Amino acid sequence: GENVEQHPSTLSVQEGDSAVIKCTYSDSASNYFPWYKQELGKRPQLIIDIRSNVGEKKDQRIAVTLNKTAKHFSLHITETQPEDSAVYFCAASIDSNYQLIWGAGTKLIIKP
Amino acid sequence: DVKVTQSSRYLVKRTGEKVFLECVQDMDHENMFWYRQDPGLGLRLIYFSYDVKMKEKGDIPEGYSVSREKKERFSLILESASTNQTSMYLCASSTGLGSPLHFGNGTRLTVT
Repeated sequence: GENVEQHPSTLSVQEGDSAVIKCTYSDSASNYFPWYKQELGKRPQLIIDIRSNVGEKKDQRIAVTLNKTAKHFSLHITETQPEDSAVYFCAASIDSNYQLIWGAGTKLIIKP
Repeated sequence: DVKVTQSSRYLVKRTGEKVFLECVQDMDHENMFWYRQDPGLGLRLIYFSYDVKMKEKGDIPEGYSVSREKKERFSLILESASTNQTSMYLCASSTGLGSPLHFGNGTRLTVT
């Protein structure tokens, strides 16, 4: 079945720098790739998602890139701010399947 | 805005007790999910439901059962709570295949 690996498990960056989190997936049929942010003590919330018919999607300081050939996708956060500190989860699914397959999460720490 | 409400934020139960976790969504979503979240393990799917009275096992259904008698309500049942079921439980809902998940605030269950 599908497997999603996420790296790194912890990422510490200086405020204002960029952060990149990477995920790889195993099932080439996967075509939906969301990213969720979970702040401490709060619920996971969708921040951006991408479908396999596009290679990149941006929303202000956040972007996601997808490389279908290599079966990996990445979250890019530019000009990081203290409120970006959270755990980020990637996931993958096939449109015909109800289940999302999740990465283990990345704890992003923004140093002042 | 979608609202997914979990009945309890914190719950302490004794080993062997029958435990009910309730989840209600107000957006007429077809799909509802129960996840378990543990540090370093990400989000693991326990059960999901794509229609009233329908249920499907996720990755870790052992020791759990679910009930969906009404579209807006999805209950998770621990038939005989054990200490290894101490965890954060997250309920989520979505409109359909390949659509974003909307999470509740979670129930932190401690079994002593």
